[in-house]
Amino acid sequence: GIQVEQSPPDLILQEGANSTLRCNFSDSVNNLQWFHQNPWGQLINLFYIPSGTKQNGRLSATTVATERYSLLYISSSQTTDSGVYFCAVERVGQFYFGTGTSLTVIP
Amino acid sequence: KAGVTQTPRYLIKTRGQQVTLSCSPISGHRSVSWYQQTPGQGLQFLFEYFSETQRNKGNFPGRFSGRQFSNSRSEMNVSTLELGDSALYLCASSLWGPGSPLHFGNGTRLTVT
Repeated sequence: GIQVEQSPPDLILQEGANSTLRCNFSDSVNNLQWFHQNPWGQLINLFYIPSGTKQNGRLSATTVATERYSLLYISSSQTTDSGVYFCAVERVGQFYFGTGTSLTVIP
Repeated sequence: KAGVTQTPRYLIKTRGQQVTLSCSPISGHRSVSWYQQTPGQGLQFLFEYFSETQRNKGNFPGRFSGRQFSNSRSEMNVSTLELGDSALYLCASSLWGPGSPLHFGNGTRLTVT
């Protein structure tokens, strides 16, 4: 299977700070998605981004498929951004998730 | 538009029993996939159904099975439960499976005692 590594594993930020989360994958993939898992366990789809750059409000993501990595940018962080961020890749119908980055935003 | 609905939210079962979990996808979504989340193994793909057919399968034993109905609703069954099956089981729907964004339900938390 494909190995998906996320960094950093844990991140603590002051409200208003910016951050960059990274997702590396070990082989070529068909697509990549970023999710936010809130403290109640629900996974919210942030981006479907097999390549290129997308922006949604304070969040943006970039995937460089040829170099096998993706970045998630969070600007002006808020306490509601706390939770775990996962990237997931798909290849030949199989989905592989990273181990996540746990983000805590302090007021 | 209603989101993905999973029932029940919580389940407690005894070793050796079987369990059935249900997932209703977003209206118009034809693909349903299932995932297991545990602290030790993280999020793992179980299987994906499209038009009532299992199209893709992860690396889980045959005790884990599923099906999809003509209205795209899906069920997952785990037979002969083991303590290690305790997990959060998540279902996701998408328009056509791989190649379209996944939308997750709230999950079913299964505890096996």
